[in-house]
Amino acid sequence: DAGVIQSPRHEVTEMGQEVTLRCKPISGHDYLFWYRQTMMRGLELLIYFNNNVPIDDSGMPEDRFSAKMPNASFSTLKIQPSEPRDSAVYFCASSPGLVQETQYFGPGTRLLVL
Amino acid sequence: SQQGEEDPQALSIQEGENATMNCSYKTSINNLQWYRQNSGRGLVHLILIRSNEREKHSGRLRVTLDTSKKSSSLLITASRAADTASYFCATDEPGYSTLTFGKGTMLLVSP
Repeated sequence: DAGVIQSPRHEVTEMGQEVTLRCKPISGHDYLFWYRQTMMRGLELLIYFNNNVPIDDSGMPEDRFSAKMPNASFSTLKIQPSEPRDSAVYFCASSPGLVQETQYFGPGTRLLVL
Repeated sequence: SQQGEEDPQALSIQEGENATMNCSYKTSINNLQWYRQNSGRGLVHLILIRSNEREKHSGRLRVTLDTSKKSSSLLITASRAADTASYFCATDEPGYSTLTFGKGTMLLVSP
């Protein structure tokens, strides 16, 4: 398996633009997580899905953020409109189980909002 | 939700030396995991230790868990330049369904 795949790897955009981040989890994993990593706040869980259903989105910072998982092999995280404070590295991770299982992280998308 | 805190924030050693990183947490846990993150990469799982375990080994890694002190340590023996990375502990608490990651220890191993 190729592992968790994320695209794009880097994204530079201007404030106010829409940004869409994509993730393909490892086949057979039931859980998918979206994280954001910054120097100030560390690694923050934004939302996670179980069998394509959003379970906990309490980490989503505000309504400008939305996430979907239309099928078991694809998820998106959308920011609209983007703001400079959204600049961060966004990781997708998947897991065959929940807390006691290892999480497998993708390489991340480095987002810069100018 | 609690957050594990790693100590020190940064550590610089020479190749061949041992590196020890610590993680403290505030409430009870079921398990504690350690992850490594190389620069520009995602996190990679290293080891999981359960609350009823005191020590675990994996290659050059040794993890200890002291639930009475609410702390864990990660020891990397005979370090190599390739061990240069950030190391994170992740905890789970009974009643919470996800992991909480600390802010990490940055380890620099110089040749």
